[in-house]
Amino acid sequence: DTAVSQTPKYLVTQMGNDKSIKCEQNLGHDTMYWYKQDSKKFLKIMFSYNNKELIINETVPNRFSPKSPDKAHLNLHINSLELGDSAVYFCASSQGAGNTEAFFGQGTRLTVV
Amino acid sequence: AQSVTQLGSHVSVSEGALVLLRCNYSSSVPPYLFWYVQYPNQGLQLLLKYTTGATLVKGINGFEAEFKKSETSFHLTKPSAHMSDAAEYFCAVSDGDSSYKLIFGSGTRLLVRP
Repeated sequence: DTAVSQTPKYLVTQMGNDKSIKCEQNLGHDTMYWYKQDSKKFLKIMFSYNNKELIINETVPNRFSPKSPDKAHLNLHINSLELGDSAVYFCASSQGAGNTEAFFGQGTRLTVV
Repeated sequence: AQSVTQLGSHVSVSEGALVLLRCNYSSSVPPYLFWYVQYPNQGLQLLLKYTTGATLVKGINGFEAEFKKSETSFHLTKPSAHMSDAAEYFCAVSDGDSSYKLIFGSGTRLLVRP
C-alpha cells in the first residue's frame, strides 16, 4: 500500500495548457507539501499545508494553485503552462513540522513542449 | 536565511570503500538535519535525521552521520560501499519546530565502482 501516491507519474503537454497533479497520503498525516525538482536535481519547497490550511507559498507564480479538499489530499493545478515549468514535482507529507520525517511520493515528471 | 551546502556534486568510490558525503549548513537557530536518498525515477527516502541528543546518528542501510555544531556540519558516512548504494543523496535542514519546509542541498551523486 503506497503511503504517498501521485498521479500521473508522467505528464507531457503543450505550452498554454492547464493541467493537474493529484496527491493522496494514507499515513494520517496533518501536513502536506509540494516540492519542485529541476533538471539539475535541485529541490525546492513550493507549498505547505497543515490541516488543509496554506502555511507556506514560496513565491510560486499564481499560475500554480494548490487545493487541499481534506487532510489526505493535496492537488496541484497549473494554468497556462510554460516551458520552464518542466520539472519533477514531488508531493510529501509529515505529521506536524520541524523535526518530523517527510514521506515523499514517487514524483510526477512534467514535460512542457 | 537557512542554506545547505553539499560539497561535491559527484563522489565515486570502489565497492567496499568508505563513503563520505559532506554537508554544511547555515542556521541562526539549532537546526534539525536530515539525509535523504533518491534512487533513479523514485521519490526521496529518509536515511537518518538529527533532532536533539546524541550527535552521532545511525540510519538505514549502514549509514551514519555526525552533527558537529562547531563546524556546522552533518557529514554522511558508511564504512563499506555496496553497489546498491549508488544513488543521489540530499542533505536537508529544518529550522525549528514551527518550520513547515525543508531546505535541501544541491545533492551528491554517489557512484560505486565494482
